[in-house]
Amino acid sequence: IAGITQAPTSQILAAGRRMTLRCTQDMRHNAMYWYRQDLGLGLRLIHYSNTAGTTGKGEVPDGYSVSRANTDDFPLTLASAVPSQTSVYFCASSDGGPYNEQFFGPGTRLTVL
Amino acid sequence: DAKTTQPNSMESNEEEPVHLPCNHSTISGTDYIHWYRQLPSQGPEYVIHGLTSNVNNRMASLAIAEDRKSSTLILHRATLRDAAVYYCIKTTGNQFYFGTGTSLTVIP
Repeated sequence: IAGITQAPTSQILAAGRRMTLRCTQDMRHNAMYWYRQDLGLGLRLIHYSNTAGTTGKGEVPDGYSVSRANTDDFPLTLASAVPSQTSVYFCASSDGGPYNEQFFGPGTRLTVL
Repeated sequence: DAKTTQPNSMESNEEEPVHLPCNHSTISGTDYIHWYRQLPSQGPEYVIHGLTSNVNNRMASLAIAEDRKSSTLILHRATLRDAAVYYCIKTTGNQFYFGTGTSLTVIP
């Protein structure tokens, strides 16, 4: 059982370039999430999706977009990357609701120069 | 502020109990309290969660204050593998609001 996979593991990107971070889960969870974690800080929610076909904004959505075409995949796109988007990005999934455990992927380390 | 407040760091001797405190004074009636921990270079992993009553599982116990404005994660016997950053999280709907976490050091 893979759980949640993220790709790439790490990436160095020039400012202004477009980048899509991939996230796939095999647990048939309804809800999926994208977080960013900056050095020494906790995670902050970027976008979420409660079910396939729906998405919502989290704490820090600006500069990011998501789509949820099916249950398994939840890609995160940076349309025009800026250095302040340098961070570690974590994808997570859950059955939804405030009482369910979220399962996190291994993260993508993104550096924007 | 929607987030939680935790001490930056704590130390414990191996095989002794550890009490990790958290303040969440802005919690509302339907918000859950979750605890996750994060090892270096890994994603967070679930530890425990609760709403109003104290909770126990194989990893830890969660003690929630009667007014729900604070909680304490209890590790009954700390091991070296428990060294991690512990996050106390207030959930609103299914959105998690992480604090900055407590870095736990376990001393052999």
